[in-house]
Amino acid sequence: EAQVTQNPRYLITVTGKKLTVTCSQNMNHEYMSWYRQDPGLGLRQIYYSMNVEVTDKGDVPEGYKVSRKEKRNFPLILESPSPNQTSLYFCASTIRSDRRASYEQFFGPGTWLTVT
Amino acid sequence: GENVEQHPSTLSVQEGDSAVIKCTYSDSASNYFPWYKQELGKRPQLIIDIRSNVGEKKDQRIAVTLNKTAKHFSLHITETQPEDSAVYFCAASSGSARQLTFGSGTQLTVLP
Repeated sequence: EAQVTQNPRYLITVTGKKLTVTCSQNMNHEYMSWYRQDPGLGLRQIYYSMNVEVTDKGDVPEGYKVSRKEKRNFPLILESPSPNQTSLYFCASTIRSDRRASYEQFFGPGTWLTVT
Repeated sequence: GENVEQHPSTLSVQEGDSAVIKCTYSDSASNYFPWYKQELGKRPQLIIDIRSNVGEKKDQRIAVTLNKTAKHFSLHITETQPEDSAVYFCAASSGSARQLTFGSGTQLTVLP
């Protein structure tokens, strides 16, 4: 079954304690992204990756890091989490179609993060 | 960069009525416009999309229209049903690896 998985699904942590949210896809997609979802702000892109070892900043990259050592995995790292990073996080894997000029995003189930 | 504005933020309709959600975008290079539906507690899922060389696309009760000159696009849902209640997001892409910029979302409630 084609899917995008994230772990953990729920996390409560304290300010400054490093954490990693894992993301894995089994569809052999080259493109992957991380988004955060906040009320009234929609989905904002944090980082994206075009392929292994190729990553770039999205709209809100401050306070986050990513890595792409393997095609299937794209972890999100918060080196020193702060309360303003409390949010719902989605990983997405993307089918890119040059013919259709489209990028269909397949989202993971989401990770609820609370930083106290 | 691209900026996508979405209106209204909330929309309530009676079952069977139509619902319309509108989005505007800023980057004239954008050429792909998807719509995502997010049910409560679930992940966003693509429901329909349109490319810039098409003015309108329909899929059963859902349609999307695009006005490139005015840089706006709309989602139309006819004969609404309670299961249409969800948050709907529009998005725009210029076709580059920068990928999608999303609107802020519309909470649609279909009243029985």
